[in-house]
Amino acid sequence: DAGVIQSPRHEVTEMGQEVTLRCKPISGHNSLFWYRQTMMRGLELLIYFNNNVPIDDSGMPEDRFSAKMPNASFSTLKIQPSEPRDSAVYFCASSSASGQPQHFGDGTRLSIL
Amino acid sequence: GESVGLHLPTLSVQEGDNSIINCAYSNSASDYFIWYKQESGKGPQFIIDIRSNMDKRQGQRVTVLLNKTVKHLSLQIAATQPGDSAVYFCAEKVGNDYKLSFGAGTTVTVRA
Repeated sequence: DAGVIQSPRHEVTEMGQEVTLRCKPISGHNSLFWYRQTMMRGLELLIYFNNNVPIDDSGMPEDRFSAKMPNASFSTLKIQPSEPRDSAVYFCASSSASGQPQHFGDGTRLSIL
Repeated sequence: GESVGLHLPTLSVQEGDNSIINCAYSNSASDYFIWYKQESGKGPQFIIDIRSNMDKRQGQRVTVLLNKTVKHLSLQIAATQPGDSAVYFCAEKVGNDYKLSFGAGTTVTVRA
């Protein structure tokens, strides 16, 4: 079975550039999550969508971060403009219901120079 | 604030031995717990979960134990193999809340 698919796997770009991360959740899952993982902070929830609607974006660091989910099979996380402190691994996860486990993609390793 | 934490940050295990990874949680309202395994360069992978109406659940080579009295969760891996080397996270949530609270993670290294 196809799991959560993220692209790109790696992204290296210069500060100030726009970065777009992409996620395809598991088919049939109606909840989607974006996380950021760093050594210092571990896994941080950035935003949560339910049925394509953003429910909680309180974890989004600042206005430079935005996320969309135009349909049930696609979501994007955008950083504009990017800064070196945004360097991290960004994960997307999906689940079928609140009482079910979240399943993670393999992440995008983002480096902002 | 309340949080999930792990007792030990690293664990070194001889191949073939059993591993026990511990996790303490502080939110007495948590009723659903998950163990994840994260290998280098990959995302957290679901291993096993347990609800608060159970105190033990078994999977393939893994067993999760839940002690609600002392708010303690453990993951036991039988006959540890080199492929079990990874970081293991426990996570908890409350009822229908969507938020998972993750522990800091325990790095397990399997010695040949």
